[in-house]
Amino acid sequence: DTAVSQTPKYLVTQMGNDKSIKCEQNLGHDTMYWYKQDSKKFLKIMFSYNNKELIINETVPNRFSPKSPDKAHLNLHINSLELGDSAVYFCASSQGAGGGYGYTFGSGTRLTVV
Amino acid sequence: KNEVEQSPQNLTAQEGEFITINCSYSVGISALHWLQQHPGGGIVSLFMLSSGKKKHGRLIATINIQEKHSSLHITASHPRDSAVYICAVVRGSQGNLIFGKGTKLSVKP
Repeated sequence: DTAVSQTPKYLVTQMGNDKSIKCEQNLGHDTMYWYKQDSKKFLKIMFSYNNKELIINETVPNRFSPKSPDKAHLNLHINSLELGDSAVYFCASSQGAGGGYGYTFGSGTRLTVV
Repeated sequence: KNEVEQSPQNLTAQEGEFITINCSYSVGISALHWLQQHPGGGIVSLFMLSSGKKKHGRLIATINIQEKHSSLHITASHPRDSAVYICAVVRGSQGNLIFGKGTKLSVKP
């Protein structure tokens, strides 16, 4: 039973399209995150939600909008996709928001914009 | 300059060797994490440290808060240890992880 599951695993789409990536965790954690890993394999935080409330919103274009319908889900919607959005997107969860707990990562979604 | 620096960037070792990966950071932190990213892409959390030393199997992680430095050691390395090892520090009360660029380890049989 996967602890943090992301769908889809691969996503190939054309520039200008709108797409969503879904994330669900069954660990009972109250904090969820979206991270982006670029072509140089560098990871960077995008968003963090604690109990459905946005607590971290790094400098990410407005085209990216996270949505957390409940504590167990954090989805990422991307409008008007651009070539530079191509990356691997990782969802993660942790028990608390302070970083003093371990993180559990999803397996990643490889987004390719053509 | 990145707030979290790792060295070396790439490391090749023979099976059985003792391996050390270093991480230095320049910001105040509340915790430091070591992560492992497999060739298939999945990320696994290895350690969370706020002081001292932790050991799990053949892996040992240490942190020196005063010197802003952490090390990850692998004893009796094995080809299955081949992966990218990433240091990440927690800054602020919201759990914002700042990542190093990773160390790519390759262990040859």
